[in-house]
Amino acid sequence: GENVEQHPSTLSVQEGDSAVIKCTYSDSASNYFPWYKQELGKGPQLIIDIRSNVGEKKDQRIAVTLNKTAKHFSLHITETQPEDSAVYFCAASRGSSASKIIFGSGTRLSIRP
Amino acid sequence: IAGITQAPTSQILAAGRRMTLRCTQDMRHNAMYWYRQDLGLGLRLIHYSNTAGTTGKGEVPDGYSVSRANTDDFPLTLASAVPSQTSVYFCASSPGQGPNQPQHFGDGTRLSIL
Repeated sequence: GENVEQHPSTLSVQEGDSAVIKCTYSDSASNYFPWYKQELGKGPQLIIDIRSNVGEKKDQRIAVTLNKTAKHFSLHITETQPEDSAVYFCAASRGSSASKIIFGSGTRLSIRP
Repeated sequence: IAGITQAPTSQILAAGRRMTLRCTQDMRHNAMYWYRQDLGLGLRLIHYSNTAGTTGKGEVPDGYSVSRANTDDFPLTLASAVPSQTSVYFCASSPGQGPNQPQHFGDGTRLSIL
């Protein structure tokens, strides 16, 4: 079945620097790749997603890139701020009603002041 | 504020007891999901429902059951709780059928089985 690997498990960056989190997936039929941010004591919240017909998507300081050939996708956060500290999850799924979404194991991002 | 409400927020339960976790959404979403979150394992799908009246098994369904009698409610039942079911449980929903769309999550139920 589908497997999603996420790296690194923890990441610490200086405020103002960029952070990059990478995920690889195993099912070449996967076509939807969301990223979720989870703050302490809260449920995950979607921050950006990308579909397989697009190579890159940006939303202000956040961007996601997708390499279908290599089966990996990455989250890029620029000009990091303290409020970016959280756990980030990637996920992959394909689009039938019987299929399921598989999440990566998460990255704990800490922003150093 | 529209969203997903989970209850209880936390619970300590003796092994062997029956427990139902409640989930209600007011967004009229078709699909709903139950996940468990364990340290180092991320989120794992337990059961899902693409629309009212239908349910399906996820990655880790054993020991859990669900029902979807209407659009808004999607309860998760542990028939006879075991310590390995200690986890944080999240309910989620999405507008259409199937997982290829953004999911909205509740704030979770922290469950401890002793």
